[in-house]
Amino acid sequence: GESVGLHLPTLSVQEGDNSIINCAYSNSASDYFIWYKQESGKGPQFIIDIRSNMDKRQGQRVTVLLNKTVKHLSLQIAATQPGDSAVYFCAEKLRNTPLVFGKGTRLSVIA
Amino acid sequence: DAGVIQSPRHEVTEMGQEVTLRCKPISGHDYLFWYRQTMMRGLELLIYFNNNVPIDDSGMPEDRFSAKMPNASFSTLKIQPSEPRDSAVYFCASRFSDHRTSITGELFFGEGSRLTVL
Repeated sequence: GESVGLHLPTLSVQEGDNSIINCAYSNSASDYFIWYKQESGKGPQFIIDIRSNMDKRQGQRVTVLLNKTVKHLSLQIAATQPGDSAVYFCAEKLRNTPLVFGKGTRLSVIA
Repeated sequence: DAGVIQSPRHEVTEMGQEVTLRCKPISGHDYLFWYRQTMMRGLELLIYFNNNVPIDDSGMPEDRFSAKMPNASFSTLKIQPSEPRDSAVYFCASRFSDHRTSITGELFFGEGSRLTVL
């Protein structure tokens, strides 16, 4: 996409396969986490969130896993489709402080 | 609701010129955020407002940047004078927060304003 870096980690997945995008967050005290999807030329869009008192949350075709021990967040996309091609950002938050975004991972779906 | 509305979508200007970016948040949202996105730094928070009051502007790069929110439905980000290193996509985002329940709504982003300073 035009709005994100050329040096992002890239994950290439065959259409129909499952995708797993990983994120290491920085603040062990963060209590809220979100995954955003950004398509080329657009603003980030909310996908799914999870609070720190949970370790898994499922949405439609997406699942977020939280491992607080190692400060790791992952986004799983089932049956990946061409429309899932985008840059995915994780973001963390502590109480009323603003979201802090990670660098992003580019997902490329091969038809 | 039309979502967060930003203008202009694209701006090309010459170094030294003043640039004003505009944002209309979602009606009812009490928080407004300005972010900048670049290849090198990703998404950076510049400033945010709560109920039209600036809360944290520590992300504003320097005095050339200023932001205002004169009312609940409008905010501006101004760069004067602009420099080539200001070239980036600038995003405005808004959300609501229920202080009684501490429930925070998701952050909604606009489509961004792509600024190119020559």
